[in-house]
Amino acid sequence: AQKITQTQPGMFVQEKEAVTLDCTYDTSDPSYGLFWYKQPSSGEMIFLIYQGSYDQQNATEGRYSLNFQKARKSANLVISASQLGDSAMYFCAMREGRIYNQGGKLIFGQGTELSVKP
Amino acid sequence: GAVVSQHPSWVICKSGTSVKIECRSLDFQATTMFWYRQFPKQSLMLMATSNEGSKATYEQGVEKDKFLINHASLTLSTLTVTSAHPEDSSFYICSASPLTANYGYTFGSGTRLTVV
Repeated sequence: AQKITQTQPGMFVQEKEAVTLDCTYDTSDPSYGLFWYKQPSSGEMIFLIYQGSYDQQNATEGRYSLNFQKARKSANLVISASQLGDSAMYFCAMREGRIYNQGGKLIFGQGTELSVKP
Repeated sequence: GAVVSQHPSWVICKSGTSVKIECRSLDFQATTMFWYRQFPKQSLMLMATSNEGSKATYEQGVEKDKFLINHASLTLSTLTVTSAHPEDSSFYICSASPLTANYGYTFGSGTRLTVV
């Protein structure tokens, strides 16, 4: 069965500095996708970045990059130049199977609460 | 595009009553929708997968008779919390897969349920 683990309940970072949020996963399916979401206090889920298991390069989206180490089964999120608005809960999630299948369920890690200090 | 609308945003109900939460895909058809439950400062826990025209698939430990899911059309799934109790108070959020946005998932804005 698929499993996602985030071991950092809370993190602090100084404004304008970079921060890494850890995520490890476990699956027996060779085809899977890894996601990071941001959840501010409003509760909405904001998609940040995606990495497919067969992607050769690490995904990047603006200030977000995903450090994908397949052999170690880790998919850490790096946020560069932190901003006060980055303070939120961050969730790593995984979906087994091919991406273009509406039935694939998304399983979430425990989350990391990030606080950006001015 | 690829918007999921969830209603209501918040609801307060009396213990013993039932509450229905709606999740609609506004500009795409969703044969599958997902229902999650989230307690404060905790993860999103998948409750069930809602399948259009057939029975929902519930995750282990989720009471089927407590959380009734109906997916009667390609754009609407409903979650009914029956005979609600204070311990059912939580944040419920739905998700659907439009296949064209965010690599496959769009989330509703969530429903905050308080049972008094």
